Amino acid sequence: KNQVEQSPQSLIILEGKNCTLQCNYTVSPFSNLRWYKQDTGRGPVSLTIMTFSENTKSNGRYTATLDADTKQSSLHITASQLSDSASYICVVSGSSTLGRLYFGRGTQLTVWP
Amino acid sequence: DGGITQSPKYLFRKEGQNVTLSCEQNLNHDAMYWYRQDPGQGLRLIYYSQIVNDFQKGDIAEGYSVSREKKESFPLTVTSAQKNPTAFYLCASEPGQGINEQYFGPGTRLTVT
Repeated sequence: KNQVEQSPQSLIILEGKNCTLQCNYTVSPFSNLRWYKQDTGRGPVSLTIMTFSENTKSNGRYTATLDADTKQSSLHITASQLSDSASYICVVSGSSTLGRLYFGRGTQLTVWP
Repeated sequence: DGGITQSPKYLFRKEGQNVTLSCEQNLNHDAMYWYRQDPGQGLRLIYYSQIVNDFQKGDIAEGYSVSREKKESFPLTVTSAQKNPTAFYLCASEPGQGINEQYFGPGTRLTVT
């Protein structure tokens, strides 16, 4: 069964601190993995997309890693800001079905001043 | 939110009534998607369309219907057959073939009482 599991479910950190969010998946075959940021009541916004051959990709203070062998990904946020408070969703695309994405439940990050 | 609009942002309906959610995109994307998001759950695919006048059921299509008469429009009708229609509905689009980012609209929160 194609699944995407994220941990932790929620996380609270102080402004300026770093944090790492985890994603494990069982989607096969695998095409690419995406991280999205979703503010409350808004649509998700893409942070990174990584294919099988990529193991690191950065977008500003966000750095995603991918280990396709162990089917794990992480999203590292550096020097957190209050605006980073959001849900971070890991999404995996399987190459067997065009356009079909498998969504994790998200990690709810809260940054306190 | 890119070039995708959803309206209205909030919608209230009485049980037993059909309701249509609007989704329009000006990105010239071929593919469009409808997702449902419930608290603590990952996004679930309702319907998707890869091309005009063609659409496919997703994982939870029962109680929903769609049409794709124009490339830029993909309205979703929530029928009275949908047992638990109260949710946050997200529309997305992507260019089509290949590894592409899915762009999400701002969402419509539907409440049925």
